[in-house]
Amino acid sequence: QVQLVQSGAEVKKPGASLKVSCRASGDTFTGYYIHWVRQAPGQGLEWMGWSSPNSVDTKHAQRFQGRVTMTRDTSISTAYMELSRLTSDDTAVYYCARETIGTGGMDVWGQGTTVTVSS
Amino acid sequence: QSALTQPASVSGSPGQSITISCTGSSSDVGGYNYVSWYQQHPGKAPKLLIYGVTNRPSGVPDRFSGSKSGHTASLTISGLQAEDEADYYCSSYTSSSTYVFGTGTKVTVL
Repeated sequence: QVQLVQSGAEVKKPGASLKVSCRASGDTFTGYYIHWVRQAPGQGLEWMGWSSPNSVDTKHAQRFQGRVTMTRDTSISTAYMELSRLTSDDTAVYYCARETIGTGGMDVWGQGTTVTVSS
Repeated sequence: QSALTQPASVSGSPGQSITISCTGSSSDVGGYNYVSWYQQHPGKAPKLLIYGVTNRPSGVPDRFSGSKSGHTASLTISGLQAEDEADYYCSSYTSSSTYVFGTGTKVTVL
């Protein structure tokens, strides 16, 4: 049974950068897209971006242009999401999620990483 | 890309059927059959209920069904149960090769 295990909660200062990891346990990332989704307190889900199975192609939502980087290290079945120039609006739970190619559905989710941005 | 439009809340009694709508545009819901639905209980990660408009992953009860007409997708929950009380989100692939979620719907079982 595949699981996505994310890194632990973080507290960041405004202007700092964040790096969240997402490790596949019981399977690899081969053949899957990895999406990143966040949820601010009391708010809905917000799609941030995806990295493709080839580990090279990525796509992100326009609002994160210039601030987000998504990478993978296939040798350790781990994906990463980096977000720079943090503000209090980036306070949220960040999720990684797996999508099997061609389905458009995110069928396995990480447990979430709580990120607090505060001075 | 604006969020897809969902009703803020829907309620029903146990055993009843309810339907949640998800309205987009020709650039997302209307243009692709990559509409998914997710259930989220408080403090938990979302769970995939429907993908590809109508497909259920293994383990999802057949009480949950999806459909689409034009720019609007729908999730129907038949035989509503107490454990169905949760937040529900739709999602769609878009013409920009991105994804967008809906605004979310809180389902209350009366």
